Amino acid sequence: QQQVKQSPQSLIVQKGGISIINCAYENTAFDYFPWYQQFPGKGPALLIAIRPDVSEKKEGRFTISFNKSAKQFSLHIMDSQPGDSATYFCAASLSGSARQLTFGSGTQLTVLP
Amino acid sequence: DAGVTQSPTHLIKTRGQQVTLRCSPKSGHDTVSWYQQALGQGPQFIFQYYEEEERQRGNFPDRFSGHQFPNYSSELNVNALLLGDSALYLCASSDLRRAGGEKLFFGSGTQLSVL
Repeated sequence: QQQVKQSPQSLIVQKGGISIINCAYENTAFDYFPWYQQFPGKGPALLIAIRPDVSEKKEGRFTISFNKSAKQFSLHIMDSQPGDSATYFCAASLSGSARQLTFGSGTQLTVLP
Repeated sequence: DAGVTQSPTHLIKTRGQQVTLRCSPKSGHDTVSWYQQALGQGPQFIFQYYEEEERQRGNFPDRFSGHQFPNYSSELNVNALLLGDSALYLCASSDLRRAGGEKLFFGSGTQLSVL
């Protein structure tokens, strides 16, 4: 019940295209859903996060869509750029759990020039 | 404003040895969490320290232990190293007392190789 399932494992997109990464969770007590971006040799960096009381959050070219009834959330990267090529992780955490994050398995995004 | 710093960046050990990894949290943060990231996997929670005590622990054996110092810095110790302990060890800091304190800031990690 603590798992977060992420797909696809890898994604190749043309420059200017839309990248979409999906995640699904089981534990309905999760109340915080961040997305992290990780470049090789670096730690994950927080990209954008959402709480289940909203269905969408947008920051620049990055948008999270959240479907509470389906227990799914997704990251959309608009106008994808070669500099966006990285590994993306979704995650979830419970309140009162000292904010222990449960991560998905990651999506390796490649944006072709 | 320095972010989360970890040392060393790389480490090579042999099976059975012991290792200590170090972390300094982001300025203003008082909570440190440790994660293990195997190659091609998402990070897995090891444990979290706050007020110099272990507050939460993931599914890791007692060979993994830690410490937090009064200046909020932290150490991760792993005893009796196994080949399977080879991974990137990430430290993350946060300030759980503040609104938005659930945001974790990660360091670049320590790459541990066990031969």
